[in-house]
Amino acid sequence: DAGITQSPRHKVTETGTPVTLRCHQTENHRYMYWYRQDPGHGLRLIHYSYGVKDTDKGEVSDGYSVSRSKTEDFLLTLESATSSQTSVYFCAITPSGTGVYGYTFGSGTRLTVV
Amino acid sequence: TQLLEQSPQFLSIQEGENLTVYCNSSSVFSSLQWYRQEPGEGPVLLVTVVTGGEVKKLKRLTFQFGDARKDSSLHITAAQPGDTGLYLCAGDNTGNQFYFGTGTSLTVIP
Repeated sequence: DAGITQSPRHKVTETGTPVTLRCHQTENHRYMYWYRQDPGHGLRLIHYSYGVKDTDKGEVSDGYSVSRSKTEDFLLTLESATSSQTSVYFCAITPSGTGVYGYTFGSGTRLTVV
Repeated sequence: TQLLEQSPQFLSIQEGENLTVYCNSSSVFSSLQWYRQEPGEGPVLLVTVVTGGEVKKLKRLTFQFGDARKDSSLHITAAQPGDTGLYLCAGDNTGNQFYFGTGTSLTVIP
């Protein structure tokens, strides 16, 4: 019953190559988020979107860009991957920008940059 | 700088014991959530609290939001191996984005 899917689930890439991660939702939620999760740092916000073509930066946005051309898809691009971007990336959705509904998370993408 | 501090960071207990996990901040939050995350999966929402002093129960789990809306606690009664996981708190104080704590890793030993 997953209303949110991430692809790929695992990826190994070389330093300096571009990488795009995809988040797809079937819930028609307005808000979509990209987080990275690293030991000792918890979940940190990279970018988020509050509507089609409306995006904003989070606390760790350097080296990342996003695009949202349709309600259901939110893409995260690493322009030139670095080893410091090795992490687990999570997409999350919520119908409202307030905290009332909480997030629904995808299953994550484990990215390794070698 | 971590906006939300969770304690303890790690907790290993025997089945049947009780435990409390804390989530503290110097900031006021309009709402606070608790999630549980299992290995290889994304966090799953357990509860949202929005009113200072609010208490919510979910079976053996009791969640409390501090009166000043700066802190929260999660109490588990008679822990079971199925409670094992990473517990995360997340707070909303600016609108449009939540801040997550670093988590409490709980292991319940049968």
